[in-house]
Amino acid sequence: AQSVTQLGSHVSVSEGALVLLRCNYSSSVPPYLFWYVQYPNQGLQLLLKYTSAATLVKGINGFEAEFKKSETSFHLTKPSAHMSDAAEYFCAVSDPENTGFQKLVFGTGTRLLVSP
Amino acid sequence: SAVISQKPSRDICQRGTSLTIQCQVDSQVTMMFWYRQQPGQSLTLIATANQGSEATYESGFVIDKFPISRPNLTFSTLTVSNMSPEDSSIYLCSVGNRGSRNTEAFFGQGTRLTVV
Repeated sequence: AQSVTQLGSHVSVSEGALVLLRCNYSSSVPPYLFWYVQYPNQGLQLLLKYTSAATLVKGINGFEAEFKKSETSFHLTKPSAHMSDAAEYFCAVSDPENTGFQKLVFGTGTRLLVSP
Repeated sequence: SAVISQKPSRDICQRGTSLTIQCQVDSQVTMMFWYRQQPGQSLTLIATANQGSEATYESGFVIDKFPISRPNLTFSTLTVSNMSPEDSSIYLCSVGNRGSRNTEAFFGQGTRLTVV
């Protein structure tokens, strides 16, 4: 079975500081990995995805993530935080060979707080 | 990408009643899923909505409590039956297509349900 662990339910940064949101996964097969963002009272928006191509993935809004198989990690980073980045971030994994790309197992989420 | 419309966007319901949530997609999709997001928690998959046949439920979810219909490739409904306050959650519809080029799931805005 697949699982995702997101360390830290809340992360606080200052505007302009580095953003680092951690995600570790467990999967018996090569996974596909995703980061989604959820703004207050809205649905989920895809930030970026890893689908077995380049291990460093660039997404929208200046975010990127690096797939590290040896560490079973897929941490999300952004060099400089903006106030508009304040939201809930979810890491998710899918098993493309068995259950398909779109059937996702989500982590517990990390709320990013950005202070002026 | 797919544009997903969920109705209602929010509702307040009396315990013991049922609510049917609709998910309409602007194009035909292979896969449709229903997720639940309880307050302050992550997303949990309820079931996969199968076109023309019974939905496939995840562990802990049953058809009597969450009956699902999917009459065609663009529409699905989820009913939350005999509601209790514990059913207060955001319910999200997710869609996607099979095939190696279709590697992501798209989400509706969600239905925020409060049971009183």
